[in-house]
Amino acid sequence: AQSVTQPDIHITVSEGASLELRCNYSYGATPYLFWYVQSPGQGLQLLLKYFSGDTLVQGIKGFEAEFKRSQSSFNLRKPSVHWSDAAEYFCAVENNQGGKLIFGQGTELSVKP
Amino acid sequence: DTGVSQDPRHKITKRGQNVTFRCDPISEHNRLYWYRQTLGQGPEFLTYFQNEAQLEKSRLLSDRFSAERPKGSFSTLEIQRTEQGDSAMYLCASSLGQGASRGKLFFGSGTQLSVL
Repeated sequence: AQSVTQPDIHITVSEGASLELRCNYSYGATPYLFWYVQSPGQGLQLLLKYFSGDTLVQGIKGFEAEFKRSQSSFNLRKPSVHWSDAAEYFCAVENNQGGKLIFGQGTELSVKP
Repeated sequence: DTGVSQDPRHKITKRGQNVTFRCDPISEHNRLYWYRQTLGQGPEFLTYFQNEAQLEKSRLLSDRFSAERPKGSFSTLEIQRTEQGDSAMYLCASSLGQGASRGKLFFGSGTQLSVL
């Protein structure tokens, strides 16, 4: 069965510093991978997705993620964090038959001035 | 689009009562999903529809939970004989479900259920 693990429950970074959030997936075939963000009081929003092709994908708000099949990882990165990036981030996987997304438990990002 | 709307935003009920939540998806979206989220956890899949057909239901989901999407538009989620463990945020999402829009779910703000 598909699963997603986000090893870091909570991360704090300084504003302007770089960010990397980890995501490991478990899936036998080529996964469809996603990162969603949930800001306080708001619904989840898609940041970016990977289906195939270039393993480095760009998303909204300056985020990018890299798919590494050998490590079963899909880590989210941002070169310079802004205070408004403070939120909960969820990695998700979908099987290639389509259907539901399976979400990780999330990583809460705090940004200090 | 007007977004995904859920009603009510909050529901407080006593254990043993039945509750029903409504979700209105984005109008052109043929897929509709229900998820449940508790504090500090990611959204947990409950069920999803393609138009009016319920295509999958979580095996973890008790028989007390039922969902419908009678005309392929809005959906309702009913919980019968609520238990304290049902307290959670219930999220609805919709999508086009195909092509470039695959996996791009638009979420509502959720219904927060508290079972006393």
